[in-house]
Amino acid sequence: KAGVTQTPRYLIKTRGQQVTLSCSPISGHRSVSWYQQTPGQGLQFLFEYFSETQRNKGNFPGRFSGRQFSNSRSEMNVSTLELGDSALYLCASSLGIQGSGNTIYFGEGSWLTVV
Amino acid sequence: SQKIEQNSEALNIQEGKTATLTCNYTNYSPAYLQWYRQDPGRGPVFLLLIRENEKEKRKERLKVTFDTTLKQSLFHITASQPADSATYLCAPTTHTGGFKTIFGAGTRLFVKA
Repeated sequence: KAGVTQTPRYLIKTRGQQVTLSCSPISGHRSVSWYQQTPGQGLQFLFEYFSETQRNKGNFPGRFSGRQFSNSRSEMNVSTLELGDSALYLCASSLGIQGSGNTIYFGEGSWLTVV
Repeated sequence: SQKIEQNSEALNIQEGKTATLTCNYTNYSPAYLQWYRQDPGRGPVFLLLIRENEKEKRKERLKVTFDTTLKQSLFHITASQPADSATYLCAPTTHTGGFKTIFGAGTRLFVKA
């Protein structure tokens, strides 16, 4: 079956703009989590959605937001982009919520460069 | 504060040897812990999951141990091959205001032929 699909794979934005990233989880998976990965900070947890509800969130400013649709697809949005937002954004899906023992499967990520 | 520590320095070993990677955590009580492999520019790929009541888990050439007293997990690759060269991430899942999986910074492994 198809894996986790993220779009776009690469994008360049200007400071102050906003960006929306999309994630389609593995079929049947209802939990979608988002992570930011930078060379200095590693993988940082952004938030998790399950059945269209945000279950948990990490320590990121309110400029980072997300949502999940009834078909489990998810989007994350970053407003007022800053140079420090340049990173690989990874989406991960699992059958159940984090903590339920289900494996997390990652997409290939969206590379965001802010100039 | 909560911390996950993996060897920040790269690990270089000779093909055929056993690679051992360490993951130490403080101020966590993980319900379980996962290990992932990540290649440059790609998303992490799941390898093994070990629960808090399990001491050891094996899968082909991979072995994971979990010592909740020492607050440590060890990840072993036996008969290592150059294709095993990658970054390996330790990821405990803990309950702090809701379950979430936190990732260590990873250890870069180089296996020389």
